[in-house]
Amino acid sequence: DTEVTQTPKHLVMGMTNKKSLKCEQHMGHRAMYWYKQKAKKPPELMFVYSYEKLSINESVPSRFSPECPNSSLLNLHLHALQPEDSALYLCASSFQGTSGTGELFFGEGSRLTVL
Amino acid sequence: QQQVKQSPQSLIVQKGGIPIINCAYENTAFDYFPWYQQFPGKGPALLIAIRPDVSEKKEGRFTISFNKSAKQFSLHIMDSQPGDSATYFCAASMVIHAGKSTFGDGTTLTVKP
Repeated sequence: DTEVTQTPKHLVMGMTNKKSLKCEQHMGHRAMYWYKQKAKKPPELMFVYSYEKLSINESVPSRFSPECPNSSLLNLHLHALQPEDSALYLCASSFQGTSGTGELFFGEGSRLTVL
Repeated sequence: QQQVKQSPQSLIVQKGGIPIINCAYENTAFDYFPWYQQFPGKGPALLIAIRPDVSEKKEGRFTISFNKSAKQFSLHIMDSQPGDSATYFCAASMVIHAGKSTFGDGTTLTVKP
């Protein structure tokens, strides 16, 4: 079983709703990521947190707002989404820098449907 | 420079066959080449990975072959089983920037009983 836990597994929301996706890992990783994955496509990097600080934002619309409250938790706040934002949202973590092996540890994802 | 090209897009083999999936990269700064396996409704999981200082790595029925000069690497699955049916993504990154992995487009493998 994955050591990166994501909740909820499924989420349906309207375009005016505000919701949040949550991610938790207890592997001591200091790098955490949000990816978006459309059907039959590879994961696309959205955000990178390094030592709880946002280090990369891959030009993601402001309706997606990430937050890293501590080294184990990562949130993705959603507001005023569009139907095209429907996708599988994956959280991942890894060791940071030269202490890492390069491996990404993915959660099982949150399947988001925007109506 | 950042692309990873993966082929084929889909692959169907009989049980016991040896599917081969190929990837090519451009950026010579990459030093970590993983393969991720993803089942429907699940997140990707690392299957096997290789660093550029070796030409082959084997773990169980899975083998990566790596050709540094050609900038290509491939996944071989020996004695494939129906349970291997999944989508496989190759990727390339620098170890110090694991999250900036560049993924191939994926290969959907179907192993028929």
